[in-house]
This record gives sequence, structure tokens and C-alpha cells, in this order.
Amino acid sequence: GENVEQHPSTLSVQEGDSAVIKCTYSDSASNYFPWYKQELGKGPQLIIDIRSNVGEKKDQRIAVTLNKTAKHFSLHITETQPEDSAVYFCAAKGGGRRALTFGSGTRLQVQP
Amino acid sequence: DTAVSQTPKYLVTQMGNDKSIKCEQNLGHDTMYWYKQDSKKFLKIMFSYNNKELIINETVPNRFSPKSPDKAHLNLHINSLELGDSAVYFCASSQDVGGSTDTQYFGPGTRLTVL
Repeated sequence: GENVEQHPSTLSVQEGDSAVIKCTYSDSASNYFPWYKQELGKGPQLIIDIRSNVGEKKDQRIAVTLNKTAKHFSLHITETQPEDSAVYFCAAKGGGRRALTFGSGTRLQVQP
Repeated sequence: DTAVSQTPKYLVTQMGNDKSIKCEQNLGHDTMYWYKQDSKKFLKIMFSYNNKELIINETVPNRFSPKSPDKAHLNLHINSLELGDSAVYFCASSQDVGGSTDTQYFGPGTRLTVL
């Protein structure tokens, strides 16, 4: 089955700096890669996703890059703000009825 | 309106009891999921239903039984609760299972504590 590894497990940055979270996956058949943000006491919220037919996607301060050859994808947050502090999860999924496999999460802390 | 809702939000019970968690989605989606998040925050799929048909059934003790009375509801019943069942359980839904329709939306979670 799919295995997703996520690094780092914790990340502390100063407000205004950039943050990068990296994930690798094992199943070359995976073609969908979402990123979720989980705030304390809440459910994961989708913040951005990318499919295997594109290499990069951007939404305001958030961007995701995908390298299918190397089987890794990354989340980039620019101009970080204190409200970006949360746990971020990457995930990977193959086509059809395959399950979504999550990484182990990154706790991001943005220091004001 | 809440897109994916779960009840209850908190559930505290004794070992050996039987309990249920309910999930409802008002997004018109065909597929629903149950995930377990352990104390280390690791999220793992348990079950998935598509149009009321069970399509994913991971290695979960048979004390856990999902039930989907209709496409908008997926309930989770747990028999003979054990200490290790303590976790946060999340329900999620997606329009369908593949292509561009498999984006999953999560509920707020149910924190289960077994004493």
C-alpha cells in the first residue's frame, strides 16, 4: 500500500518568514495530493490540492509543488502569520477506490 | 449550515460498553468515510461507503461496524469498547471516489474517551 512520509514534524518560524513542509510517497500510481490544516479541536480543513497532471499550484500565500519522478511534493507558505499556526497534513491517493493516505503531520508555529 | 456534522462531539464511557457516533453530510456527496486520529495525531482510514456500498474496510477490529442508512449518513457503532479505542474519530465525505471528484471534506470530530 501507499506510504507517505512528512518532514519536519515541528517547524517554528518568525512572522513574515516562509515555511516549507515536504512529503514523499511510495506508490507511483498516486495521482492526487491534498494538504490539510488542522487547528486545535477542529477537523482537518483542505487548504490546497494538486493532481499529477500539473507540477505547481498557487493560491495566494500558499503553493504546492509536485515532482512525480522523485515522488515528492511540498507545501510552501509565504509571509506567514500567527493564524497560520496549526498542524498541517499532506496526503496521497491513487485513482478509483483507493484510500487517502496521510503523512504524520507538521506542527507549524508562527512566532509574532 | 455545517457541511459535515458529527454527534456527539465528546463521548466518555466505560470499558465494555457499546456506543455509536453519527455523521451527516448536506453536500449531496456519494461517498463517506470514517477516520481515526490517535494521540500522536496520526490519521488513518477505517471505512468508506460509496452510494451505501462498503468500498474500503481497513484492518479494523470487527467490534467496529459502520452503517449507512442513506447516502447522507454514515454511522459508526463500536461494541465492547476498549481503552485503546480512545481517539478522535472523524467523518468525511467526497462527491465520488475518483477523477476530480474525490476531494474529501472533514467533520469536526468526536473525541472518544474510554475509562
